[in-house]
Amino acid sequence: DTAVSQTPKYLVTQMGNDKSIKCEQNLGHDTMYWYKQDSKKFLKIMFSYNNKELIINETVPNRFSPKSPDKAHLNLHINSLELGDSAVYFCASSLRPIQDRGYNEQFFGPGTRLTVL
Amino acid sequence: AQKITQTQPGMFVQEKEAVTLDCTYDTSDPSYGLFWYKQPSSGEMIFLIYQGSYDQQNATEGRYSLNFQKARKSANLVISASQLGDSAMYFCAMRSPTDSWGKLQFGAGTQVVVTP
Repeated sequence: DTAVSQTPKYLVTQMGNDKSIKCEQNLGHDTMYWYKQDSKKFLKIMFSYNNKELIINETVPNRFSPKSPDKAHLNLHINSLELGDSAVYFCASSLRPIQDRGYNEQFFGPGTRLTVL
Repeated sequence: AQKITQTQPGMFVQEKEAVTLDCTYDTSDPSYGLFWYKQPSSGEMIFLIYQGSYDQQNATEGRYSLNFQKARKSANLVISASQLGDSAMYFCAMRSPTDSWGKLQFGAGTQVVVTP
């Protein structure tokens, strides 16, 4: 019954590797997001997709590439991992932002803790 | 630029007491939405309460209420009758048309510890 799920929950890898985090939502939402939470707990948007179309692309290194095969899935691929990429990555989903005029909350996944050694 | 400020990095509160978590925001948009999320030590983000900029009344959800003072641009969260399970990090966040309503802009968070 999980609304927004992410895999894996924990990811430990070496610098320079490429890794992916998967996200799926079963809420019927058409907008999905990736947020990064750093070691100081600060949360910042990375990307947002609305119905498979990229609508928000913050200042994120191009080593990070989101992919949305359908509106229920938004995956995050990271190339050439660096120590500074260590963080918790949250996927979220919501109803289409423009229509809801900001009312509808974003539902967050459980997070993926990425540790780069 | 939009900005959310939470000035209290951490606070202790005794069980059964009320606690107020401060949040101020800065936006030039007349229409916006304010949210509070809770993040317990387990790490998940839990939506608590929402306040729209045009809402006439302060939002309430169970033991959570929002003290919305639009002219002062503040949206403080009040937790009544604190419970041990309220110990968590609390984040204030905002959405606005400037970002096509897309992203949530978060404050730095307030760590709350409820003591017996």
